[in-house]
Amino acid sequence: QSVLTQPPSVSAAPGQKVTISCSGSNSNIGKNYVSWYQQLPGTAPKLLIYENYKRPSGIPDRFSGSKSDTSATLGITGLQTGDEADYYCGTWDTSLSGGNYVFGTGTKVSVL
Amino acid sequence: QITLKESGPTLVKPTETLTLTCTFSGFSLSTTGVGVGWIRQPPGKALEWLAVIYWDDDKRYRPSLKSRLTITKDTSKNQVVLTMTDMDPMDTATYYCAHKLTVSFDPWGQGTLVTVSS
Repeated sequence: QSVLTQPPSVSAAPGQKVTISCSGSNSNIGKNYVSWYQQLPGTAPKLLIYENYKRPSGIPDRFSGSKSDTSATLGITGLQTGDEADYYCGTWDTSLSGGNYVFGTGTKVSVL
Repeated sequence: QITLKESGPTLVKPTETLTLTCTFSGFSLSTTGVGVGWIRQPPGKALEWLAVIYWDDDKRYRPSLKSRLTITKDTSKNQVVLTMTDMDPMDTATYYCAHKLTVSFDPWGQGTLVTVSS
C-alpha cells in the first residue's frame, strides 16, 4: 500500500478549479521534492510538476504545485475535458536505508 | 528527444522469471546524474515503483520486492534490463521504464502488459 494518500476522486465543471492533496510524512514529502504525474486514459504517465512547483516545458500554467510540511497540492484551473485523467504524486522516501520512490494512491479527475 | 520502449514476454507462468528490456535513445546512461527506473501498474490500480539504476551503477529497489528484483544496464546498447523471479498472478501489470534526472521520472515508455497465468 502507498505511503502517500490522495483523495480517490475530484470533479468540477469546465472552467472551474480543482485541487488534489497528497499527504505524506517526515520521511518522504517532509524531506524531499514532490512530483506530479498525469495519466490520461490508456496512456503512460507524464510528468506534470517537478521539484514541488516547477512545470516542464509544454505544461500550461493552469497546472500548479505547492508543498507545505508533509503535504503537497496540485491545482488545476480553467478545467477542460482533456484534463480528465488520473493524477499521482510521487517523491523519495528515506525511511529505509538507500531510500525508495513512492507514489500516491492516485486521484481521478472528472469534468462534469 | 528522449524515448524509451519496453520489451519482453506478454505472458509468463507462475514461478517463472520475467525479463524485461528497456531500450532508450536521446540520452546516455554514462552521463552523470542520469538514471533509468522501472514502474508497474496492476490493472485498475496505482503506480508502484520497482527499481532504478544510475549512471554510476548505483541501484535501488522497492524494499518489499528487493529479493526478487535485479536491474542491470548495458551502456553500449542503451538498454536497461529488469528481472523479476518467482512470478505470481499478483504481478500481472503494465510495466513501464522511465528516464530519471534529478528527482522525477520523465519521460516514460509506452509500457508493456505482462500477464501471469498458467
